[in-house]
Amino acid sequence: EDQVTQSPEALRLQEGESSSLNCSYTVSGLRGLFWYRQDPGKGPEFLFTLYSAGEEKEKERLKATLTKKESFLHITAPKPEDSATYLCAPRGAGSYQLTFGKGTKLSVIP
Amino acid sequence: DTGVSQDPRHKITKRGQNVTFRCDPISEHNRLYWYRQTLGQGPEFLTYFQNEAQLEKSRLLSDRFSAERPKGSFSTLEIQRTEQGDSAMYLCARDDVGTGELFFGEGSRLTVL
Repeated sequence: EDQVTQSPEALRLQEGESSSLNCSYTVSGLRGLFWYRQDPGKGPEFLFTLYSAGEEKEKERLKATLTKKESFLHITAPKPEDSATYLCAPRGAGSYQLTFGKGTKLSVIP
Repeated sequence: DTGVSQDPRHKITKRGQNVTFRCDPISEHNRLYWYRQTLGQGPEFLTYFQNEAQLEKSRLLSDRFSAERPKGSFSTLEIQRTEQGDSAMYLCARDDVGTGELFFGEGSRLTVL
């Protein structure tokens, strides 16, 4: 059974204070590791998909990286508008479903 | 805009009543998914359709739940005899045919009193 653990559960940062979010996963035959951002009361917003260890993708202040067991979402010089819950979800072989972690709730204080 | 519309956005019902949610993808996408999300949790997979065929169902989808996708376009999720534990956000998603990436709608929030 696919398993996903995200840490920390919550993170408070000062504006401009860089940090990283962790996603540890166990899945048989990874066919993509997905990152989403979710604002309260809204559906998840797609950020990145990573497919193989060593792959990196960037979008504005966010950079996602992937190893065989973990993915990291690095946030550089965050702004208050980056405050949201960040979700990761691997997709395993033989299925189209994503298994989501509980997310990391990020708060960026001005 | 993710190309997924859900209706209604909010539904309040009494225990024991039936409710139905509708999902309209922007076009007739190949795969359409339903997820459920409770407070403080990530979305949990319920079921998915490839065209009009329902190909995978989670054990979370009890006998009180039924989903359809007639003609491979819009989809409906019906919950019969609602229970307080059904209170959650019900999310619909389409995938990009080329990349397989999932794009979610804004969700339908259900509150069962």
